[in-house]
Amino acid sequence: AQKITQTQPGMFVQEKEAVTLDCTYDTSDQSYGLFWYKQPSSGEMIFLIYQGSYDEQNATEGRYSLNFQKARKSANLVISASQLGDSAMYFCAMNNFNKFYFGSGTKLNVKP
Amino acid sequence: GAGVSQSPSNKVTEKGKDVELRCDPISGHTALYWYRQSLGQGLEFLIYFQGNSAPDKSGLPSDRFSAERTGGSVSTLTIQRTQQEDSAVYLCASSLALAGWTDTQYFGPGTRLTVL
Repeated sequence: AQKITQTQPGMFVQEKEAVTLDCTYDTSDQSYGLFWYKQPSSGEMIFLIYQGSYDEQNATEGRYSLNFQKARKSANLVISASQLGDSAMYFCAMNNFNKFYFGSGTKLNVKP
Repeated sequence: GAGVSQSPSNKVTEKGKDVELRCDPISGHTALYWYRQSLGQGLEFLIYFQGNSAPDKSGLPSDRFSAERTGGSVSTLTIQRTQQEDSAVYLCASSLALAGWTDTQYFGPGTRLTVL
């Protein structure tokens, strides 16, 4: 069964606007971690943000925030004030006891 | 400190030849993962090493693929009798693996394998 679902293959956003990338996950465990990675055209996977299943506050890292809705099993990434350098593939992932599951990714294009 | 390193960065080989890809994890990281990413696709899990435990090989696509990790550090992924469908970027990642679900994976820059 697919553990991580990213339903948006591609997204466009105007520079300086905010954008939300969707991610839903599936697990019956109570303990898990949720992650977002950015993959620019250069190919490296860059860790952006982490949310633990027991964390009550939504994680934030600079312009990135994770909208964690546990009951809905969603972990959407919000990028505020988009920049041209944000154009990349974005992957949502879950750590389920050291087994990592990745979504299929969302390609974000930031328009000037 | 130093991140995850991988070598070579690019490898071009002929169909039927064997190749070895190397990964050097972050110092102190006990967990090491190999993934494969075909062009424009997501990550395909290949194999996972954790300390001295037996590796999780459940993602290896065929018996042509094998991996080892020496001394709990450097890992080598070997592909025997390469096929054109093996062409992909091979990514290595490592994590501390101290607390299960809270661990973050950090990735290397990848090895781009092209099989002619």
